[in-house]
Parts: sequence; structure tokens; C-alpha cells
Amino acid sequence: GENVEQHPSTLSVQEGDSAVIKCTYSDSASNYFPWYKQELGKRPQLIIDIRSNVGEKKDQRIAVTLNKTAKHFSLHITETQPEDSAVYFCAKPGYSGGGADGLTFGKGTHLIIQP
Amino acid sequence: KAGVTQTPRYLIKTRGQQVTLSCSPISGHRSVSWYQQTPGQGLQFLFEYFSETQRNKGNFPGRFSGRQFSNSRSEMNVSTLELGDSALYLCASSRGQGTGELFFGEGSRLTVL
Repeated sequence: GENVEQHPSTLSVQEGDSAVIKCTYSDSASNYFPWYKQELGKRPQLIIDIRSNVGEKKDQRIAVTLNKTAKHFSLHITETQPEDSAVYFCAKPGYSGGGADGLTFGKGTHLIIQP
Repeated sequence: KAGVTQTPRYLIKTRGQQVTLSCSPISGHRSVSWYQQTPGQGLQFLFEYFSETQRNKGNFPGRFSGRQFSNSRSEMNVSTLELGDSALYLCASSRGQGTGELFFGEGSRLTVL
């Protein structure tokens, strides 16, 4: 199918520690894997994405890794801060062909940063 | 540059009624996709429109429909409302080139009584 499995559903970490969220998918055609962050009461916003021709991408404290063979990709947040508290969604294209922009999202991970 | 605008922001309907939600994308964006967000199911893809054509559709019943106008504005309609349709409906716009960033609106919160 076209689903994306995301784990864990809730993740609580101490401020300053690292957080890792993992997603798995089943189809082989997907070539784009974004992560969205949704703060309470706000709209989802893209924080990082990766395309299938690379295995890792970093942007300051966040990074995404992709293993196309195993069909999983992960979000890594280092040195977590209170403002990192939010729901994080992984996603992949929801189509089997090309050209469309609709995404299939994971069910989300509620990240809680403990002071 | 104005962001994605959704109207109405809140609405209450009763079972059996229908509802129409509107989405105005960012200027220059030709793709609009719609999502249903509920606490238990997360963000579920409804459909995507590009240049007035539906390019992709999620696994929702035929009661959910949409359209896009020549100015890229989009509407979605839900007929014969059920209690389970209560949700936040989000639209997102993008350039439509495939694998591009989605810019979300603030959503329309629908409550069905």
C-alpha cells in the first residue's frame, strides 16, 4: 500500500538530549521524503526534506537520514530545546507516478521536551 | 506575499447537511491539496488539484468532492454529513512541480452535530 508507518507516537526527552523519529514505507517508487512540524494550534510547516539520491541531509540541529533499501527514513533532533515541543509528521508522495504534489503523512509523533 | 487563506475558519453543521470549504492558494501556486486532520488519524490526504484537474485522490467516500477554478482557488464539498466528518480540514498550496514544499492554510474546523 501507500501508507507510512511512524514511530513512536509520543516521545519525551530531557532538554538538551537527542530525539529520533522513524518512518517506514512500502512502495519502491517514492523519491521524496519531507518532515513537517506542527506546533499546538498552528499549521504544519516543512522543516526538512530529503530526496532519494542522498542518504543524509542536515540543517543545524536537525537531520534526516534515508535508507532506500530498507525503506525507512528518520528525523534526528540534537540538543533539544523547549521550542522543539510539537507534533512531527513524516510524509511521502501519495501517488505512484510523477508530477502530483499530494502527500501521504504518518500519524505523527508528539515530541515533549522536559525541562 | 499573502499566505494560504481558508474560509470559513469554523463552522457547525448537523448530520445530513452539506458543507463547502474554500481555499485560496499563494499567488503563483497552481496546485492545491486537501487534508483531513483528526486526533486519531493524523493528516489524511483527500485530493489534489492542478490546473483545474484532479491529479490524485485519497481513500475517502464519494461524499467528499472538490474542484479548482482557473485562478487556482479551490473548494471542497462534503455532502450528507456524518458525525465522523468532524475534523480540521487543511488545504495546502504548492507550485505543482511534484515533490515540492506544501504551504498550509490555518484550516477550517468543522463540527457535525
